[in-house]
Amino acid sequence: EVQLVESGGGLVQPGGSLRLSCVVSGFTFSTYGMTWVRQAPGNGLEWVADINLDGSEKYYVDSVKGRFTISRDYAKSSLYLQMNSLRAEDTAVYYCAIRTNGVCSYWGQGTLVTVSS
Amino acid sequence: QPVLTQSSSASASLGSSVKLTCTLSSGHSSYIIAWHQQQPGKAPRFLMRLERSGRYNQASGVPDRFSGSSSGADRYLTISNLQSEDEADYYCETWDTNTHVFGTGTKVTVL
Repeated sequence: EVQLVESGGGLVQPGGSLRLSCVVSGFTFSTYGMTWVRQAPGNGLEWVADINLDGSEKYYVDSVKGRFTISRDYAKSSLYLQMNSLRAEDTAVYYCAIRTNGVCSYWGQGTLVTVSS
Repeated sequence: QPVLTQSSSASASLGSSVKLTCTLSSGHSSYIIAWHQQQPGKAPRFLMRLERSGRYNQASGVPDRFSGSSSGADRYLTISNLQSEDEADYYCETWDTNTHVFGTGTKVTVL
C-alpha cells in the first residue's frame, strides 16, 4: 500500500521558517516526480512546487519563488519543503503527492501551517 | 499556461447521475487532465486520468460509477447512481512544462 505521511507543520510567526517532510512508503521513491500542493482555509487546491525524479529540475508557483525550496532524499524516501520568510497568506494545509504520468496520483493526509503573530 | 474552468456547484438526487465539466483554456484543448475528489475534512483522492480522446484510467479502488469523457476542450466526470458519500468537492488538474494547474473545484451536493 502506498503511503505518504507529511509532518513539520505548526504555528510560526510572519517572517519565520518551517521545514515540511513527506515520507513515502510502498512505492519506488526514485521512479517518479513529486509535488507539494496547498489549500488555504475554505479555498481550493493550489500547486506549490515540483521536483522531477532525479532532483535536477525544480519548479515553483510565482508566489513562493525565492522563499521555498523543494528537495528529496532517496535514502530516506523523503520529500521536503523548506519554507522561509513565511507570510500570513502561506497559511494552509500542505499536501505532498506522487506524480505518475504527469498527474498527482497519490496524496498524503496533509500538514497544517499557520502563519500568525 | 493552461487554465481550467469548473462550475462552482452541482446537485442531484440520491441514485441519479451528475455530470461535471472541466474546460481547458484556448490553445490547451489537447491536454490530459486528472479528476480528484475531496470529501469534507479529508485529503484529495485521485480518481482518474482523462485524455482528449475520452480514454480514461481509473485509480485502483474507484467505483465504476465514476466515468470520464471528453469533447473538444471539455473534460467530463460523470457520477452514476449517486451515493451520499459522493458529496464532496471535485477538482480537475493538468500540467505544463514547469507548472501544475488546478481548477477551482465543483461542490457536489446529494439531495
